[in-house]
Amino acid sequence: DGGITQSPKYLFRKEGQNVTLSCEQNLNHDAMYWYRQDPGQGLRLIYYSQIVNDFQKGDIAEGYSVSREKKESFPLTVTSAQKNPTAFYLCASNEGRGSNQPQHFGDGTRLSIL
Amino acid sequence: AQKVTQAQTEISVVEKEDVTLDCVYETRDTTYYLFWYKQPPSGELVFLIRRNSFDEQNEISGRYSWNFQKSTSSFNFTITASQVVDSAVYFCALSEALYNFNKFYFGSGTKLNVKP
Repeated sequence: DGGITQSPKYLFRKEGQNVTLSCEQNLNHDAMYWYRQDPGQGLRLIYYSQIVNDFQKGDIAEGYSVSREKKESFPLTVTSAQKNPTAFYLCASNEGRGSNQPQHFGDGTRLSIL
Repeated sequence: AQKVTQAQTEISVVEKEDVTLDCVYETRDTTYYLFWYKQPPSGELVFLIRRNSFDEQNEISGRYSWNFQKSTSSFNFTITASQVVDSAVYFCALSEALYNFNKFYFGSGTKLNVKP
């Protein structure tokens, strides 16, 4: 079945440590997105990529980094510069052409600080 | 200012009651799209409906219906005869075209509790 796979489901970070969240899609979508969700809040855009080898900062990119070396993959690294990383992280994708395509989401990764 | 406002933080109903989730949006674009997503406890956001700014027809899909009114910038979602499985957080979203990139603005969500 086509879809988006995020791993791991739960992740713990120690102080000063970088951690990487995986996102893989087999929907043949050009565009991929990373969102952060805090309790009782909506989704905030961290980074997005419309095509391989290109990505742009979203609204809250500080302390995060991404890469897009393959169409299927869009990993997110939470660096030690992100002082409040505890949140639920959602990866999404869509065809990326025009503004009428819904985004499809993965199951999310819950990140906590040890 | 919030692009998408979902004023109802949490709603509790008893099974079989009807419930309406409110969504108010703000945009200067003439072409835009509105969406509703459901987030069950598992966490994944499930796409429910998309509506473009030129189509104000209401839509019904089983127990779900959507009322889009441009005059009041609202896109409300009604669940008829609610069921326990409807318990989830529901997000309304607005999509605007930004330099050929469709940026999504999500509301803060409404948590729906349906009690047996």
